[in-house]
Amino acid sequence: SYELTQPPSVSVSPGQTASITCSGDNLGDKYVCWYQQNPGQSPVLVIYQDSKRPSGIPERFSGSNSGNTATLTISGTQAMDEADYYCQAWDSSTEVVFGGGTKLTVL
Amino acid sequence: QVQLVESGGGVVQPGRSLRLSCAASGFIFRTYVIHWVRQAPGKGLEWVAVISDDGSNEYYADSVKGRFTISRDKPKNTLYLQMNSLRAEDTAVYYCAREGLDSGTYFDYWGQGTLVTVSS
Repeated sequence: SYELTQPPSVSVSPGQTASITCSGDNLGDKYVCWYQQNPGQSPVLVIYQDSKRPSGIPERFSGSNSGNTATLTISGTQAMDEADYYCQAWDSSTEVVFGGGTKLTVL
Repeated sequence: QVQLVESGGGVVQPGRSLRLSCAASGFIFRTYVIHWVRQAPGKGLEWVAVISDDGSNEYYADSVKGRFTISRDKPKNTLYLQMNSLRAEDTAVYYCAREGLDSGTYFDYWGQGTLVTVSS
């Protein structure tokens, strides 16, 4: 079955750039999306089709996907961006697959 | 505005059944693929099942295949998840999520979730 691997945690200072990676075999051949989840709340889509931002998502969120790695980048990270982030893709063997999630700490 | 509202969660004994509902509003329900996704306490997201827009196709995660059934009632704009032979490991918050219309599978709207606890 297909698997996506994320680092369990990433730390960033306010105002700096945070990068969260998501790895999978030939992931660049698939569309990847990213969700933000705050404690006790439902996930929110922040990036889809590798790099597109839904309406209402700040421009500081961006995404890329090539080779075996997709990356969510948050530029000028703010305290409000502290949350769990999940990557997700679709594979014919497993249908929808999520990464294990990354806890972003802004300190 | 788009809304997905889950209901039907609760505490259930192992081996018993439960049916979850997801009431949709604010969009044309019959034109969207809808999924169930769950999240065990303190854990990550796990995809559970999907049903096509017309209800003719269903797919399930291996962990629930043969025990769970996804269905939809178009006139009622409601999605269901029938869960049978429940196990402790099915304990989770269950979300319904709408699949976006662009290429690639992504969820543009999620419900607030309903908690299912399987315990004796």
